[in-house]
Amino acid sequence: DTEVTQTPKHLVMGMTNKKSLKCEQHMGHRAMYWYKQKAKKPPELMFVYSYEKLSINESVPSRFSPECPNSSLLNLHLHALQPEDSALYLCASSQAHGDYGYTFGSGTRLTVV
Amino acid sequence: SQQGEEDPQALSIQEGENATMNCSYKTSINNLQWYRQNSGRGLVHLILIRSNEREKHSGRLRVTLDTSKKSSSLLITASRAADTASYFCATDANDYKLSFGAGTTVTVRA
Repeated sequence: DTEVTQTPKHLVMGMTNKKSLKCEQHMGHRAMYWYKQKAKKPPELMFVYSYEKLSINESVPSRFSPECPNSSLLNLHLHALQPEDSALYLCASSQAHGDYGYTFGSGTRLTVV
Repeated sequence: SQQGEEDPQALSIQEGENATMNCSYKTSINNLQWYRQNSGRGLVHLILIRSNEREKHSGRLRVTLDTSKKSSSLLITASRAADTASYFCATDANDYKLSFGAGTTVTVRA
């Protein structure tokens, strides 16, 4: 298995809703990432997990809450989002050390109404 | 945060022609990577070049890296319609913070 699987592919949520994005990989990668991408912009790093521990939080608002239940799964819990949080949310994984590329999922297209 | 700048922002070429795009970055890197993204979906890793390498090939792709100028180029030879996509360079400083350039949108006309 050489894929990163993200669910759901599309999500519409109200500003008072709570929802979660899920990401799964079975490549044995010990580093996992959440990126946010706005239209016609490059991906921006949000969070990094290394060996299931949160190692980087790029000053992301607390309405985004990451979780790494085990080495294969990564969640992003969403609560009280704003319309400007609408974006493509990308999960990625990589080997924890060495010169390796990242494997990205196909993303979740989030719309906050 | 975004580290790299890419040039040009957009490129339109005829099928069969070559496409060249450039990337500049600001800080020291461990490696530089190129990714392709189709229609706002996931990114696909194309090629990685280490900081001690100057040129690398993979199929129709050729990447160069000049660390003294902090720049890289990606050449796609004999382009096809399926090469229509956005291309991003990304720098890795061995800190888990892969940083992407602004991207080049390539359109290959049939």
